[in-house]
Amino acid sequence: DTGVSQDPRHKITKRGQNVTFRCDPISEHNRLYWYRQTLGQGPEFLTYFQNEAQLEKSRLLSDRFSAERPKGSFSTLEIQRTEQGDSAMYLCASSFEVSQPQHFGDGTRLSIL
Amino acid sequence: GENVEQHPSTLSVQEGDSAVIKCTYSDSASNYFPWYKQELGKRPQLIIDIRSNVGEKKDQRIAVTLNKTAKHFSLHITETQPEDSAVYFCAASSDSGGGADGLTFGKGTHLIIQP
Repeated sequence: DTGVSQDPRHKITKRGQNVTFRCDPISEHNRLYWYRQTLGQGPEFLTYFQNEAQLEKSRLLSDRFSAERPKGSFSTLEIQRTEQGDSAMYLCASSFEVSQPQHFGDGTRLSIL
Repeated sequence: GENVEQHPSTLSVQEGDSAVIKCTYSDSASNYFPWYKQELGKRPQLIIDIRSNVGEKKDQRIAVTLNKTAKHFSLHITETQPEDSAVYFCAASSDSGGGADGLTFGKGTHLIIQP
């Protein structure tokens, strides 16, 4: 069990640029989740996948955000036309099934200049 | 949607004493309640969880209690040690089929263990 891995660990970009993050879940986990965490706050749910199907999106996920999980393996989260308010830690988690423990990755810290 | 309130925001206890962190939730459909520990700059780590068909669960020095009627659950840490210092988050979710499987987190409690 290598755990949930995320890449990159840090991303610095200029406002208006597009960014993409990758998450590799624990291999036997069917569910994959994306969260966003800002300083001093708990993680906020963004979206999740059951295998390759995206089942729920939070209202926090504006139309500038898109997530995919092709073939039910790794997932990508893309943010288009980044804004200052997008600066945060983006966390990925995976679980074996519904209401099973979610295991988090180390996150990608996004800084918008 | 679900709303989770967590108290206190900061808790300072003497090493060896007990610590209690409390959370309330709003959605009666929520049935899964995990607790995470997050050290500075690190990932949230699951330390214990409880489901709504159980009132209490214990794992060594850590215990969680759940009161479904009152919609609150608590984390208890006994014999606190310096390595318990971290931010603790409670969370809630539902597998009722409404798609609400994402966790709703509280704002966190910064636990400080005084030597």
